[in-house]
Amino acid sequence: SYELTQPPSVSVSPGQTASITCSGDKLGDKYASWYRQKPGQSPVLVIYQDSKRPSGIPERFSGSNSGNTATLTISGTQAMDEADYYCQAWDSRTYVFGTGTTVTVL
Amino acid sequence: EVQLVESGGGLVKPGGSLRLSCAASGITLSNAWMSWVRQAPGKGLEWVGRVKSKSGGGTTDYAAPVKGRFTISRDDSKNTLYLQMNSLKTEDTGLYYCITDGLTTVDGAFDIWGQGTMVTVSS
Repeated sequence: SYELTQPPSVSVSPGQTASITCSGDKLGDKYASWYRQKPGQSPVLVIYQDSKRPSGIPERFSGSNSGNTATLTISGTQAMDEADYYCQAWDSRTYVFGTGTTVTVL
Repeated sequence: EVQLVESGGGLVKPGGSLRLSCAASGITLSNAWMSWVRQAPGKGLEWVGRVKSKSGGGTTDYAAPVKGRFTISRDDSKNTLYLQMNSLKTEDTGLYYCITDGLTTVDGAFDIWGQGTMVTVSS
């Protein structure tokens, strides 16, 4: 079965850039989405189709996808960005989530 | 505004059954691709299954761990989505989310989530 691997945790200082990777076989051939989940809340879509932001998501969130790796970048990270982040990909019939990354803003 | 409200969760014994409901407002469910995603306590997200829109054929697909045990259906007159779960196992325990798939974005992106309903499978 298809798997997506993320680092368990990423730490970043306020105002700095956080990068979260998502690795999977030929992931660049699929579209990647990213979700942010804060404690006790439902996940929220922050990036879809590799690099597009839904309405209401700040510009500091950006994404890329090539080869075997998709990357979510948070520029000028704020304390409110502290959360779990999940990547996700799909083909015509199945969907897969990444293992999840906890972003800590120190 | 689109709103999804799940219900029907609870405590059930292994081998038992449960039916979850997802009441939608602000959208016509039959026009949307819909998925169920679950999250075990303290764990990550796991896709459960999806039903395509009527125009897309209305077909269903399921994740391997639930295939043959879970069934997604719709009652268009009630604008409600269902997840029938049979032969439940302890590993099915988790928070179950109802989600729109590509409603405001593109197919394959889960853009609107409900608040979830908790299912606990335990003897």
